[in-house]
Amino acid sequence: GQQVMQIPQYQHVQEGEDFTTYCNSSTTLSNIQWYKQRPGGHPVFLIQLVKSGEVKKQKRLTFQFGEAKKNSSLHITATQTTDVGTYFCAGSNSGGYQKVTFGTGTKLQVIP
Amino acid sequence: GAGVSQSPSNKVTEKGKDVELRCDPISGHTALYWYRQSLGQGLEFLIYFQGNSAPDKSGLPSDRFSAERTGGSVSTLTIQRTQQEDSAVYLCASSPRLLGGYTFGSGTRLTVV
Repeated sequence: GQQVMQIPQYQHVQEGEDFTTYCNSSTTLSNIQWYKQRPGGHPVFLIQLVKSGEVKKQKRLTFQFGEAKKNSSLHITATQTTDVGTYFCAGSNSGGYQKVTFGTGTKLQVIP
Repeated sequence: GAGVSQSPSNKVTEKGKDVELRCDPISGHTALYWYRQSLGQGLEFLIYFQGNSAPDKSGLPSDRFSAERTGGSVSTLTIQRTQQEDSAVYLCASSPRLLGGYTFGSGTRLTVV
């Protein structure tokens, strides 16, 4: 079945440093979503990418979808303590309905 | 409602007992998921409902787990003869259309003692 892996599993950064998490799928995706889960909270939807090579920005967050639609990345510029949490990607294959497979997640810790 | 509602928020049960977890999705959302998350771990897919289609039950870990969705709205996840390894946070999520992000509920924290 479809597998979605994320690297790194954990990342500690100093506040103000940049952070990137990478998402890789074993199969071609029709679209990819990103979620953020704060400690003790539930996942919150951030964004969805659909087109090959698509790039979207949300303030300090930049999301990319690979040309082959098998990988994606989330880059945070100048991290802040509010960025702490686990970031999940979730990919949907080209099936008839959108069943997403969540990635393994990257846990980000920001050191003040 | 304004969001996805799950009840109870916490459940402590004795090993061997049955439990029912409830999810009220956002009104009009056709897609509904159940996930399980153990402490510090990722999201484990359990079951997926999409409209009137047959549910995708491929993630249910054993025949002790079952779920239903009545009238295309409220969903109930039932765990029979609970085991300690069933202890986790059970998350429900819903989505309004084929292409769209999922809104998660706050989850039910299940502890089997």
